[in-house]
Amino acid sequence: GAGVSQSPSNKVTEKGKDVELRCDPISGHTALYWYRQSLGQGLEFLIYFQGNSAPDKSGLPSDRFSAERTGGSVSTLTIQRTQQEDSAVYLCASSWVGNTDTQYFGPGTRLTVL
Amino acid sequence: SQQGEEDPQALSIQEGENATMNCSYKTSINNLQWYRQNSGRGLVHLILIRSNEREKHSGRLRVTLDTSKKSSSLLITASQAADTASYFCATNMDSNYQLIWGAGTKLIIKP
Repeated sequence: GAGVSQSPSNKVTEKGKDVELRCDPISGHTALYWYRQSLGQGLEFLIYFQGNSAPDKSGLPSDRFSAERTGGSVSTLTIQRTQQEDSAVYLCASSWVGNTDTQYFGPGTRLTVL
Repeated sequence: SQQGEEDPQALSIQEGENATMNCSYKTSINNLQWYRQNSGRGLVHLILIRSNEREKHSGRLRVTLDTSKKSSSLLITASQAADTASYFCATNMDSNYQLIWGAGTKLIIKP
């Protein structure tokens, strides 16, 4: 079956521009996560959606970052007024439920802010 | 701050040899998971071990967990070139849905 997909795979933008990153989770998965990974580093948690509950936004690094999940499926991560330090790979994962379940990752979006 | 720390940071071995990577963590956990990442992109789940388990096997993979030492090890036996990747441990803490990640071990298998 289809896995988690993300688009675009690569995004190059100029400093100050807004970007939108998309994630299509595995069908039926109620939990969706966004992570950021800087070069050679582990994953940094950004935001978590679980069903119809209010998302946990505790990992968002600044108010320039926001995310939404429409219809309990597709999610969009928006970064406003991008900065060079936003350059990273943004990874989306989904799972059947939150908590202890295995997470399935998409291929990521590599964001480069010039 | 990172919960998990992998050791070593990098490991280079000959094809056919066994590779062992270690992960230490700081707080009590619900489970610990190992993931593989190729070419800095998508992660693939390898194995999950729960806090009440001590050892799990999956193919050429063997994972151990020592909760008293707050550590886990991942053993890859009879390594293959395709095992070249970065390996991450991630912990799921009690009553918490977040996975806390280490910085990873970069494994290189030389032909």
